[in-house]
Amino acid sequence: QSALTQPRSVSGSPGQSVTISCTGTSSDIGAYNYVSWYQHHPGKAPKFMIYYVTERPSGVPDRFSGSKSGNTASLTISGLQAEDEADYYCCSYAGSASWVFGGGTKVTVL
Amino acid sequence: EVQLVESGGGLIQPGGSLRLSCAASGFSLSDTVMHWVRQAPGKGLVWVSRLHSDGTTTSYADSVKGRFTISRDNAKNTLYLQMNSLRSEDTALYYCTRDSVWSFDYWGQGILVTVSS
Repeated sequence: QSALTQPRSVSGSPGQSVTISCTGTSSDIGAYNYVSWYQHHPGKAPKFMIYYVTERPSGVPDRFSGSKSGNTASLTISGLQAEDEADYYCCSYAGSASWVFGGGTKVTVL
Repeated sequence: EVQLVESGGGLIQPGGSLRLSCAASGFSLSDTVMHWVRQAPGKGLVWVSRLHSDGTTTSYADSVKGRFTISRDNAKNTLYLQMNSLRSEDTALYYCTRDSVWSFDYWGQGILVTVSS
């Protein structure tokens, strides 16, 4: 159950797009489409942003989009806004009723 | 409105036991898969345990298997995490979270567990 690999940080100016990668293995991301993403502002509860690789829960802006290719999933934030500054975590179902998270990526809005 | 409120955390000595509670409202635990996820200080989120909606089928991360037990009380609509043989590496903020399509749609605010002598 090794953690998924995410970049420690990404940054962009308001209005720009940033993409966060999340690399796993053929046993987790590569095997299942149960990839999800969470936004986490320190001190608050994580927020559900993306599920089933590309689906957005109700209320999540369409600026947030997810994708997957092979063992790597990605979250793209288009039209970056100040309130998007937060930590972002990917997660994948890993079989046998277990889940694995990424190490987290800090998004900074310049 | 769905709400999850954790309680029961605190400072505990290594080797000790603690039981976390997660009071749910706005939905019934008996209809839902539930999880515990934790975050050590300065670290990322880590999945800990899952309880199937049947109330008996459970799964655990290797790091807690044999030491932690997840359960629920349907009458109180409350999820529990019994933590035994606690270690310093169990120090973390513990979140209860509801399952949705093998992901986690609602989260509590978290409860801090500190294992230290």
